[in-house]
Amino acid sequence: AQSVAQPEDQVNVAEGNPLTVKCTYSVSGNPYLFWYVQYPNRGLQFLLKYITGDNLVKGSYGFEAEFNKSQTSFHLKKPSALVSDSALYFCAVRPFPSGSARQLTFGSGTQLTVLP
Amino acid sequence: IAGITQAPTSQILAAGRRMTLRCTQDMRHNAMYWYRQDLGLGLRLIHYSNTAGTTGKGEVPDGYSVSRANTDDFPLTLASAVPSQTSVYFCASSESGSGYTFGSGTRLTVV
Repeated sequence: AQSVAQPEDQVNVAEGNPLTVKCTYSVSGNPYLFWYVQYPNRGLQFLLKYITGDNLVKGSYGFEAEFNKSQTSFHLKKPSALVSDSALYFCAVRPFPSGSARQLTFGSGTQLTVLP
Repeated sequence: IAGITQAPTSQILAAGRRMTLRCTQDMRHNAMYWYRQDLGLGLRLIHYSNTAGTTGKGEVPDGYSVSRANTDDFPLTLASAVPSQTSVYFCASSESGSGYTFGSGTRLTVV
């Protein structure tokens, strides 16, 4: 079975400072990893994904994530946080290749608050 | 605009009543999913469908049923609602190799 852990329910960071939202995963075989963002009263929006290749993946809105196979982690990062980045962030995983098992497993979410 | 439409946006439902949440996509994605979102638990998969005519159970299927008569529609039915089914429900779709596209959600309160 696959699983995702987001160890921090809440992350606070000052505007302009770098931010990190942590994610670790467990999956059989190679991982197919995702980050999604959810703004209040909205659905989830895709930020970025990792399948294979470079361990540093760049995504939307200046976000990036670093895949670390040995630590089974996929932390989300941004060099300089904006107040508008405040939202709920979800990490998700499924095996790759997935065959018929295309279902994503999500973490519990991390609420990011960027303070002005 | 291509995407997923969910209806209703919100609903208050008496316990014991039957309810169908609607989900329609216009992207011709093969796979569709229903998740529920609860505080502190993230998103949990209820049911999924890899292609029209097939469905499967997710992590929390009890009390819910789905059907997939065609590619575009994936309704979720609560046969007899209970208060523990109070949640925000998200429908999503995907094509092989891609991430999910999510609907805007249905906020359901069972009283």
